[in-house]
Amino acid sequence: EAGVAQSPRYKIIEKRQSVAFWCNPISGHATLYWYQQILGQGPKLLIQFQNNGVVDDSQLPKDRFSAERLKGVDSTLKIQPAKLEDSAVYLCASSPSRGNYGYTFGSGTRLTVV
Amino acid sequence: DAKTTQPTSMDCAEGRAANLPCNHSTISGNEYVYWYRQIHSQGPQYIIHGLKNNETNEMASLIITEDRKSSTLILPHATLRDTAVYYCIVRAPGDAGNMLTFGGGTRLMVKP
Repeated sequence: EAGVAQSPRYKIIEKRQSVAFWCNPISGHATLYWYQQILGQGPKLLIQFQNNGVVDDSQLPKDRFSAERLKGVDSTLKIQPAKLEDSAVYLCASSPSRGNYGYTFGSGTRLTVV
Repeated sequence: DAKTTQPTSMDCAEGRAANLPCNHSTISGNEYVYWYRQIHSQGPQYIIHGLKNNETNEMASLIITEDRKSSTLILPHATLRDTAVYYCIVRAPGDAGNMLTFGGGTRLMVKP
């Protein structure tokens, strides 16, 4: 079974620029999550999708972050404009359904904002 | 959600059993104990979960005390590749948001 694919693996941008991350979950997984992991901390949930609908985006800084999962499969997370404090690893995870906590994570995108 | 408490770090000799404790004294009856680990530069990886009975799979064993207030993840023969941060998380199906919340975890260092 193919895992959760994420790209790019690394990204360096200047503050105030925009950036986008892409995630392709495991085939058939209805639920998709984006997490932010700052160095030395555990992952923090940003947004949760069920198929193509947003279930929970209460932790997403909506003034600069946006995410979509238009066809209920792959997803894009965007930051515009980026701040220095957005430097982190952005992890995508999927699970077969809500309430199934056996998530599969991708390897993440490491973002450095300079 | 029930909170969990884990030691910040632990060492283990290669080839020996690694026993990682987790305290979850406020766990409620329908909450499961989940364990994940995160190897450097990778995303977290699911290891095992359980409700009240002990569980074993190809990666590890999970021992849950009878009162369910604590649990231990056991890696029976630790290798250098088991060096990682291990997260203990307590969740129930249908919990608000249905998402995993990660704490700081235990940093396990397996030494030759």
